[in-house]
Amino acid sequence: NAGVTQTPKFRVLKTGQSMTLLCAQDMNHEYMYWYRQDPGMGLRLIHYSVGEGTTAKGEVPDGYNVSRLKKQNFLLGLESAAPSQTSVYFCASSYWFGRSIDTQYFGPGTRLTVL
Amino acid sequence: GESVGLHLPTLSVQEGDNSIINCAYSNSASDYFIWYKQESGKGPQFIIDIRSNMDKRQGQRVTVLLNKTVKHLSLQIAATQPGDSAVYFCAENNSGYSTLTFGKGTMLLVSP
Repeated sequence: NAGVTQTPKFRVLKTGQSMTLLCAQDMNHEYMYWYRQDPGMGLRLIHYSVGEGTTAKGEVPDGYNVSRLKKQNFLLGLESAAPSQTSVYFCASSYWFGRSIDTQYFGPGTRLTVL
Repeated sequence: GESVGLHLPTLSVQEGDNSIINCAYSNSASDYFIWYKQESGKGPQFIIDIRSNMDKRQGQRVTVLLNKTVKHLSLQIAATQPGDSAVYFCAENNSGYSTLTFGKGTMLLVSP
């Protein structure tokens, strides 16, 4: 099992450019999440999905869009990148027990710089 | 090194010592707790978890203690090794909710 993979690993954008980050998991998890991590800020939830075709906003959703067309994939889009979106982005997935979630498993991260 | 550690509380120990990392959680309704380890340049890695019907759980060289009365969680690492150097995060969940709330983390530095 590859677990959770993220593409790309690094990216540099100019202000106003768009891009899509891809997350894939092979654990058949229902739930998937996108976080950003900034120095001293911990992990902040951007968007998440509780199943194929569903998405929900997290703590810091502005400037991002997501799609979950297939259970194993969760895409994070930046339509018009801004320097404030320079960050490390992590995807995670978890199993749902029917009463509560199980632990979240994280990908290796994407380092995005917006100039 | 990775800048995720900037401004984090830091615990410095000698190799072979036992380490205790603490976490105060915010929601008295939380009933599931997880400890993660994040090494420089990598994603968070699951260490151990505990549900609120327990107050202690042991893994390999790690023990998590839960005190619901004071909303406190701790991670004990026995015989700390240089490879344990990382940032450690606690996370909490209230069953019925789909998301985790993460603490800001503690950096553990282990000297040989």
